[in-house]
Amino acid sequence: EAGVAQSPRYKIIEKRQSVAFWCNPISGHATLYWYQQILGQGPKLLIQFQNNGVVDDSQLPKDRFSAERLKGVDSTLKIQPAKLEDSAVYLCASSQYQGGEKLFFGSGTQLSVL
Amino acid sequence: DAKTTQPNSMESNEEEPVHLPCNHSTISGTDYIHWYRQLPSQGPEYVIHGLTSNVNNRMASLAIAEDRKSSTLILHRATLRDAAVYYCILRGWVNAGGTSYGKLTFGQGTILTVHP
Repeated sequence: EAGVAQSPRYKIIEKRQSVAFWCNPISGHATLYWYQQILGQGPKLLIQFQNNGVVDDSQLPKDRFSAERLKGVDSTLKIQPAKLEDSAVYLCASSQYQGGEKLFFGSGTQLSVL
Repeated sequence: DAKTTQPNSMESNEEEPVHLPCNHSTISGTDYIHWYRQLPSQGPEYVIHGLTSNVNNRMASLAIAEDRKSSTLILHRATLRDAAVYYCILRGWVNAGGTSYGKLTFGQGTILTVHP
């Protein structure tokens, strides 16, 4: 069974630039999550999709972050403009049901903002 | 979100059992206890979860206190590959805008070091 795919694996940008991350969840998984993990901390939920609708984006900085999940499958997370404090690993996860019984995580995208 | 408290770090020797504690005194009746682990440079990996009864799977065992205010993840024989950050998480159920969904909020976790 293929896992959660994320790209790119690494990204280095300068502050005020824009960046986008892509995620392909496990086939058939209805729920998709984006987490931000700053070095030394646990992952923080940014946004949670159920199919192609948002169910929780309470911790997403909406002035600069946006996310979409077209056709309830792939998802992209965008930051525009980036700030130094956005340097982190961005993790995508998926689960079969919206109850979050078992999440499968990708390897993440490591973002460095200079 | 109900919170969990874990030791910052623990150490173990290879092939010995490891007991990772977690306190969750504000747990609600519908919260499930989840454990994930994160190896270096990887995303978190599901380990086990339970509600009230003790649970076993091929990776670990989960012992839940009778009052559910604490739990312990048990690795029966630690290997070097078990060195990771272990997260104890309460999966809460959220009702918002006519939608219900499970929500996992990660804490700091416990860094487990395994010595050869």
